[in-house]
This record gives sequence, structure tokens and C-alpha cells, in this order.
Amino acid sequence: AQRVTQPEKLLSVFKGAPVELKCNYSYSGSPELFWYVQYSRQRLQLLLRHISRESIKGFTADLNKGETSFHLKKPFAQEEDSAMYYCALSGDNDMRFGAGTRLTVKP
Amino acid sequence: DTAVSQTPKYLVTQMGNDKSIKCEQNLGHDTMYWYKQDSKKFLKIMFSYNNKELIINETVPNRFSPKSPDKAHLNLHINSLELGDSAVYFCASSHGTGGGRAEKLFFGSGTQLSVL
Repeated sequence: AQRVTQPEKLLSVFKGAPVELKCNYSYSGSPELFWYVQYSRQRLQLLLRHISRESIKGFTADLNKGETSFHLKKPFAQEEDSAMYYCALSGDNDMRFGAGTRLTVKP
Repeated sequence: DTAVSQTPKYLVTQMGNDKSIKCEQNLGHDTMYWYKQDSKKFLKIMFSYNNKELIINETVPNRFSPKSPDKAHLNLHINSLELGDSAVYFCASSHGTGGGRAEKLFFGSGTQLSVL
């Protein structure tokens, strides 16, 4: 069975501070991991995926198979980064989401 | 053009009623999903359909029944609505073989269901 854990429901940082949103997963196969974001009054959208190894809006995430983690990082948070962030794992026929972390970036 | 559209956006109804939420995608995707987002923003998969066939049916009450007339549509019908059904329901679609991995999901804008 696949499972995604986001231990922090709420995360608050000041503008310009580094931010890290934690994600751990459990999956017997080779994982494919994603971060989705939901801005206020907008639909969920893909932020990035580990296969692409890309940086989107300054965010990066590295898959660490040893620690079974896929933490999302940004060195300097911006106010517009305030949103709900979901870590997701593509496994057996579906996409499973973590419980989500609400990030608030204060001015 | 909206890629994944679901209607209605808001649905307010009385307990015991039957209601439907419609979803359509124009991306040519093979797989469609229904997710439920509760008041704590927890996002849980309910159903997954691949080419009109049910792939996943999570432990949701039998009152919830998905219907897929074709691979571009996945509607959600709910019988005998209960207070606890109040949530935001998201439709999504993706490329996927059904027997393998889901790729990037495209989400609808959500349907806010309020049961009074």
C-alpha cells in the first residue's frame, strides 16, 4: 500500500526566510512523487515532479530514497507562496495525496 | 478552453436528497478521478476510472455512485445525502494506462457541497 505523510499541517515563515515543507512516503515499488499547490480560490495544480528535477517558482524537491522523503524547499519565501501544498505519490493506478500543509508567508 | 470542468460550482441541498455532480475533460485523457476534500483540507481519493472502467473504489458509502458514459465524462451521483457529505469534491484527469502509474493530474475547480 502507498502512503504519503506530511507531518506539518501549518507552517508559517517570514518573507525572505527559507522554507521547507516535509513529505515522507511509503511504497513498495519505485516511487514517482509530485508536489501540488492550491492557491486561495484556485484549483489544485501541479507544482513540480521529481522526474523532471526542475525548479518551479524557486521551489525544488529532491527524492531521497534512503529516507523515503521528498521535501519541498525554497531559499527565500515570498508572500505569494502562501497556499496549501500537497505531496502526492503515483502508485498503483492512482495518485495518493498527503494531508496537506498550509504555508503562510508573513510580510 | 477549460481542461477539466465540473458543475455545479456550489451545491446546497437538504439532507436526504439525491444530487449529481458532473465532470468533463477535453484533454483526451484516459483516466478520471473523484477526490473529496474535507473541512481540514485533507484530500482523499474516492474513485478512479480508466476508459470507462472502474479501477479504484475506495471505501466510500454505497450512496456514492460514479457514472462514466464515455472516457471524457465522469459524473458523481450521491443518494440520500447526509450532513457528513459536506465537502469540496474535485474531479481530475490524467494520462495513464490504468494498470500503471498516473501521470500529472489536471483538476477541476471543485464543487462545494453543503448539506443542511
